[in-house]
Amino acid sequence: ETGVTQTPRHLVMGMTNKKSLKCEQHLGHNAMYWYKQSAKKPLELMFVYNFKEQTENNSVPSRFSPECPNSSHLFLHLHTLQPEDSALYLCASSQELGERNEQFFGPGTRLTVL
Amino acid sequence: KNQVEQSPQSLIILEGKNCTLQCNYTVSPFSNLRWYKQDTGRGPVSLTIMTFSENTKSNGRYTATLDADTKQSSLHITASQLSDSASYICVVTLAYGYNKLIFGAGTRLAVHP
Repeated sequence: ETGVTQTPRHLVMGMTNKKSLKCEQHLGHNAMYWYKQSAKKPLELMFVYNFKEQTENNSVPSRFSPECPNSSHLFLHLHTLQPEDSALYLCASSQELGERNEQFFGPGTRLTVL
Repeated sequence: KNQVEQSPQSLIILEGKNCTLQCNYTVSPFSNLRWYKQDTGRGPVSLTIMTFSENTKSNGRYTATLDADTKQSSLHITASQLSDSASYICVVTLAYGYNKLIFGAGTRLAVHP
């Protein structure tokens, strides 16, 4: 295991539902990330947090709302999603921001929007 | 535009055979290049990392090469095993002093008995 856990592992929701994805890292890292992985497409960076502060929002629609209460936990709140939002959502963490810091990924949440 | 392209998109080989996966990138400024292995339903796990000055890096049966002049990298898998069945993703890090990764779409490898 990488030290990054995500729950739930699978989620099916309707377009009117509200749900949250949770990520927790046990590595003592200071930076955390949300990525979206769609079939046969490269990973897309969504959000970056460093010491609980958001440092990047990669033009993500407002129906995705991140929350980082501390350096170990990261949430992604979902509401009024579209079917095209169905994907694998991956959380990652790194010791710090900076190109020499390896990102460690969680197992992902497989999201299906009906 | 910063891009990472991988080939082939998918590959089937028999257990025990060798294979080579390719990665071409147009990323600048370049910091490092990693190969990740992603098992089905799991997150990516780093196999190797190479900086500009490194030409080759090994991790067990995995050997990565980097040609910074032609902006090409390869991942060679020796004596493949069934457990090697996974997606292999080439990732280039931008040298912005910030952890900005450019991902390839991956090569899906299937090792058959």
